[in-house]
Amino acid sequence: ETGVTQSPTHLIKTRGQQVTLRCSSQSGHNTVSWYQQALGQGPQFIFQYYREEENGRGNFPPRFSGLQFPNYSSELNVNALELDDSALYLCASSLVRTGGQETQYFGPGTRLLVL
Amino acid sequence: LAKTTQPISMDSYEGQEVNITCSHNNIATNDYITWYQQFPSQGPRFIIQGYKTKVTNEVASLFIPADRKSSTLSLPRVSLSDTAVYYCLVGDKAGANNLFFGTGTRLTVIP
Repeated sequence: ETGVTQSPTHLIKTRGQQVTLRCSSQSGHNTVSWYQQALGQGPQFIFQYYREEENGRGNFPPRFSGLQFPNYSSELNVNALELDDSALYLCASSLVRTGGQETQYFGPGTRLLVL
Repeated sequence: LAKTTQPISMDSYEGQEVNITCSHNNIATNDYITWYQQFPSQGPRFIIQGYKTKVTNEVASLFIPADRKSSTLSLPRVSLSDTAVYYCLVGDKAGANNLFFGTGTRLTVIP
């Protein structure tokens, strides 16, 4: 158990819809990263939030957006869903402090299916 | 970001020691080496992290040669529950997007 929780566990949407996924960080962590994992592939970095601001982004279009709240929980929003967005979405939390970022701990993921 | 290369798959019998080697020729001075384990439909689980020489914890050992261009994850006496995908990652601890996952090594433990 990492202490990182995600909701919902599973979700089915249709093409063109919007979706919001949620993540609660491990206690004491101030940074949240989101990853997309397609079937049979390794996780792909989407973006990271630190102190409520985006702190790095992978190669994902602007329709992937996020938020981090004062309690360090986070949301991933995806607009105009496409079939290829079907994947396991992972959230990872960590502690960033002077000297660097500590190890990232992952949640169980949200399985999104776009029809 | 330093890219990593691992074997796509490995098989091992229960009770044997398993060594998974990862190549990272372009590793930077500030980069650490981290290994994660992932079971189907679950998030990756941190196993071990190191910078140089040898690191050991309760589940694995990590061997890093002096040139740091490769590393080896060693799992002692594997059991069926160790069947999973193992990812080797290299990145700067201070970096924001410092986790680049490749396709990993699929380890299958055979009874």
